[in-house]
Amino acid sequence: DTEVTQTPKHLVMGMTNKKSLKCEQHMGHRAMYWYKQKAKKPPELMFVYSYEKLSINESVPSRFSPECPNSSLLNLHLHALQPEDSALYLCASSQAEGQTNEKLFFGSGTQLSVL
Amino acid sequence: GQNIDQPTEMTATEGAIVQINCTYQTSGFNGLFWYQQHAGEAPTFLSYNVLDGLEEKGRFSSFLSRSKGYSYLLLKELQMKDSASYLCAVNNGGFKTIFGAGTRLFVKA
Repeated sequence: DTEVTQTPKHLVMGMTNKKSLKCEQHMGHRAMYWYKQKAKKPPELMFVYSYEKLSINESVPSRFSPECPNSSLLNLHLHALQPEDSALYLCASSQAEGQTNEKLFFGSGTQLSVL
Repeated sequence: GQNIDQPTEMTATEGAIVQINCTYQTSGFNGLFWYQQHAGEAPTFLSYNVLDGLEEKGRFSSFLSRSKGYSYLLLKELQMKDSASYLCAVNNGGFKTIFGAGTRLFVKA
């Protein structure tokens, strides 16, 4: 199994809603990532978990709250989002063995629209 | 600062060869990746370079010159299914991979 699975594929939410994005991988990878991608823009790193501990937070607003319940799961909790947060949210994983050639395996993303 | 530059769009003909260039200026360098991303889909890994030179993998090759901060992706025998965005990305150290904006390649019959 070389897949990273993300749910839901599409999400529409209001600015007062609370929702969660979910990501799962069964490749035994110990690093998991959240990226945000706007149309025709590069993916931008948001968070990295390594061995279930938050390793990197790229100064992301607190309305985005990541969670890594175990080595296979990664969640992104959303609350009080703004319309400018509308984007494709990509989850990725890598082996996290400290090798420089660690390639990222991406999920197909959640297309989020904030109204 | 961090900067990765690629052309925005390219068009090529089926069966031809196309070269997509990438220049980078990053605070750290632990290797350069190329990813392919079809519209609405996840990026998928194509190649990795950390030493200068050419890496060949089937129809795809990638070249790196660290002294020039330059890489290219060479696609041979183009097929219609190669129409996609090609993302140049640099590992900046540890878990930080920085992506370029991508080059949208259109392959025409």
